[in-house]
Amino acid sequence: EAGVAQSPRYKIIEKRQSVAFWCNPISGHATLYWYQQILGQGPKLLIQFQNNGVVDDSQLPKDRFSAERLKGVDSTLKIQPAKLEDSAVYLCASSLDRVNTGELFFGEGSRLTVL
Amino acid sequence: GQQLNQSPQSMFIQEGEDVSMNCTSSSIFNTWLWYKQDPGEGPVLLIALYKAGELTSNGRLTAQFGITRKDSFLNISASIPSDVGIYFCAGYTGTASKLTFGTGTRLQVTL
Repeated sequence: EAGVAQSPRYKIIEKRQSVAFWCNPISGHATLYWYQQILGQGPKLLIQFQNNGVVDDSQLPKDRFSAERLKGVDSTLKIQPAKLEDSAVYLCASSLDRVNTGELFFGEGSRLTVL
Repeated sequence: GQQLNQSPQSMFIQEGEDVSMNCTSSSIFNTWLWYKQDPGEGPVLLIALYKAGELTSNGRLTAQFGITRKDSFLNISASIPSDVGIYFCAGYTGTASKLTFGTGTRLQVTL
């Protein structure tokens, strides 16, 4: 079974530039999550989708971050304009959620460095 | 937001030793989970606990769901070099379908 795919693995940009990350979840997983992991910290939820609807985006800085999952499969997370404090690993995860269990499958992450 | 505090923050142990780490929360959770993250990788689920007081094992790993539903611990017996990594606890609230991660425990194993 293929895992969660993310791209790019690494991205370096200057502040005020924009960046986009892509995620393809495990086939059949209805729920998709984007987490931000700053160095030395645990992952923090940015946004959660159930199919193509947003379940929770309370921690998403909406003035600069946006995310979509138009067809209920893959998803894109965008940052525009980027700030220095956005340097982090952006992790995508998916879950089957037939029964709410909290068991998530993570991708390898996209490491962003903002200079 | 909810805070999950893990201790210790880091551990340096010798191969073959047992390890114990814990996680405490200010909030109640319905499910406790433990994930491990290797460098350059995403977290991988190790063990999940669904009932207060539950004790669950997975090979050399043993975890318990605290009676108060506000804490959990993870034990690793007879550590080996591949146990190196960062261990995260996570609490899940089913009603909100939200998973909150702890601050992490970094484990180093020396030969």
